[in-house]
Amino acid sequence: DAKTTQPNSMESNEEEPVHLPCNHSTISGTDYIHWYRQLPSQGPEYVIHGLTSNVNNRMASLAIAEDRKSSTLILHRATLRDAAVYYCILDSSNTGKLIFGQGTTLQVKP
Amino acid sequence: NAGVTQTPKFRVLKTGQSMTLLCAQDMNHEYMYWYRQDPGMGLRLIHYSVGEGTTAKGEVPDGYNVSRLKKQNFLLGLESAAPSQTSVYFCASREGGRNQPQHFGDGTRLSIL
Repeated sequence: DAKTTQPNSMESNEEEPVHLPCNHSTISGTDYIHWYRQLPSQGPEYVIHGLTSNVNNRMASLAIAEDRKSSTLILHRATLRDAAVYYCILDSSNTGKLIFGQGTTLQVKP
Repeated sequence: NAGVTQTPKFRVLKTGQSMTLLCAQDMNHEYMYWYRQDPGMGLRLIHYSVGEGTTAKGEVPDGYNVSRLKKQNFLLGLESAAPSQTSVYFCASREGGRNQPQHFGDGTRLSIL
């Protein structure tokens, strides 16, 4: 299974944009890039996913490098409720198995 | 909107006891998954199912059994609980196909003394 690399932690100020990076240099052509987040004491929550093109939804944007070896999750205006662990995961299986790494712990300062 | 419901939410067991965790989804999803999460770690896949009557092993299947007799339910069993199985257990489901997100339950916190 292809692996992702994320920084252990990041900090942001409230109402500022946040760019969360993810490296996936061994990605294959059919792997989808998924992002989930996990708030304290909750189950993971789907954020966004994409294959080749940049994607936007009500929660965030996903910018995918042209060579697909990296991607960036963009939170346009961080709020205190966005403080969570963010997981970048490659979906490389027809069975939907996801391999969770350690993720990035995002702190949002007021 | 129930989504994915896990029962029970908390449980304390003694070593050697058995129990079953229930996961129910009301979204008619084909695929279902059981994960465990230890403190400070990401989730690890225990078992999964790609349809009613099917099950398959994930990363850490030892000590667990599963059954998917009905499409909406996925049961996780511990036959003889061990302290190493103290963890938070999450169930998830998704529609078939790769381009679909997983939907997670709120977790079951299990302590084994």
